[in-house]
Amino acid sequence: AQSVAQPEDQVNVAEGNPLTVKCTYSVSGNPYLFWYVQYPNRGLQFLLKYITGDNLVKGSYGFEAEFNKSQTSFHLKKPSALVSDSALYFCAVRDIGTGGFKTIFGAGTRLFVKA
Amino acid sequence: SAVISQKPSRDICQRGTSLTIQCQVDSQVTMMFWYRQQPGQSLTLIATANQGSEATYESGFVIDKFPISRPNLTFSTLTVSNMSPEDSSIYLCSVQIGGIGEKLFFGSGTQLSVL
Repeated sequence: AQSVAQPEDQVNVAEGNPLTVKCTYSVSGNPYLFWYVQYPNRGLQFLLKYITGDNLVKGSYGFEAEFNKSQTSFHLKKPSALVSDSALYFCAVRDIGTGGFKTIFGAGTRLFVKA
Repeated sequence: SAVISQKPSRDICQRGTSLTIQCQVDSQVTMMFWYRQQPGQSLTLIATANQGSEATYESGFVIDKFPISRPNLTFSTLTVSNMSPEDSSIYLCSVQIGGIGEKLFFGSGTQLSVL
C-alpha cells in the first residue's frame, strides 16, 4: 500500500532564510509525487509535482522540490522564505502501480515564517 | 483547470440526522474524490466516484454511512448518514482532470458540526 510521511509537525524559519519541509514516501510501483498548500480559511492549492525526468522540480511561489529515489524522499524547499509562506503544507503520493488514480496525503507540516 | 462549487459551506446538525453535500464542477470530469479533513490535519480519502460506476470506498468507510451519487460528469453528492459527533469534520470534494499524472482541484469544503 502507498503511504507518505511528513516527520515534522511544524517548521519554524526566519524570513529570508531557506526553508525545507520534509517528505518520504512508500509505494510498490513508480510514484507520482505532489505538494499542496493550505492557507488559513482557504482551500488546498497545488504547488508542484514530480512525474518523471529531472529530479528537481520547480513550482508556484518560488518553491521547488527534489525527488530522491534512493532515499524515497521528496523534500520541499525555498531559497528565501516569506512571512506569507506561513501555511499548512501537504505532501501527497499517487502509486500508479497499484493505487490507480488514488492520491494519499501526508499528515501535513505547519510552516511558520517569522519576520 | 476546474472551478468546484461545494454546498453547503457549513452546517450544524443533530445526532441521528443525515446531511447531503453537493459538488458541482464547471467542466466535465471523470475522476471525482471525496475527502475528510479534521481542521488543521491531514486529508483522508473516503471514496472515489467515477461517473457510470459504483463509488469505490476506502477502508473504514462504507456505502451505508456515506452514500455517494454521481449522476453525470459535472456533479456528485456525498451523504453523511445517521450522524454522530465523530462525523464532525470538513468534507472536501476533489476532481482530477486529464491523465494519471495530473493534479487535484479542490472545493472549498463543507464544515460539518454534529451536536
